[in-house]
Amino acid sequence: AQRVTQPEKLLSVFKGAPVELKCNYSYSGSPELFWYVQYSRQRLQLLLRHISRESIKGFTADLNKGETSFHLKKPFAQEEDSAMYYCALTTSGTYKYIFGTGTRLKVLA
Amino acid sequence: DAGITQSPRHKVTETGTPVTLRCHQTENHRYMYWYRQDPGHGLRLIHYSYGVKDTDKGEVSDGYSVSRSKTEDFLLTLESATSSQTSVYFCAIGQNYEQYFGPGTRLTVT
Repeated sequence: AQRVTQPEKLLSVFKGAPVELKCNYSYSGSPELFWYVQYSRQRLQLLLRHISRESIKGFTADLNKGETSFHLKKPFAQEEDSAMYYCALTTSGTYKYIFGTGTRLKVLA
Repeated sequence: DAGITQSPRHKVTETGTPVTLRCHQTENHRYMYWYRQDPGHGLRLIHYSYGVKDTDKGEVSDGYSVSRSKTEDFLLTLESATSSQTSVYFCAIGQNYEQYFGPGTRLTVT
């Protein structure tokens, strides 16, 4: 069965420190992987999609098929990065999504 | 924000009553989804639709039904609400594997 695991419920870092939000998945085929973010009192929004290989708001994520991971990274955290982050997976052709349980990132001043 | 609205935004209802939540889009996207968001569980897919009158179950579909008679509207019905269905419900629309979410509906079942 497909599964997405985000092992940290809460991650606290100081402003300017590097950030890494972990995401591991289980799926035997070729997944489509995403990071979504939910800022306080706002709706969820797409942050990154693995095939685009873009850097959004300074965040990057690399798909590591060997380790079945899709960790989200930012070299220097900002206070405005404080939010709930969800990793999500779908498989080509199905359009059904599995979300992780989310990691709350708190960036301390 | 993508053209997605949800109604109502807040609702309190009693155990055993039926409840219908509405999701409306103006983007003409083919795919529409209903999720529930609960602490410790993240987002879980309830049902989704891949076209008018075409729907399928997600991972937590028991106690819920859906209907999509028009491209723009996707209805979620709790046939007989239970306290375990107290949650925040999100609708999403999808295209090219990307999803856009509505503002959410906070449902309390007393």
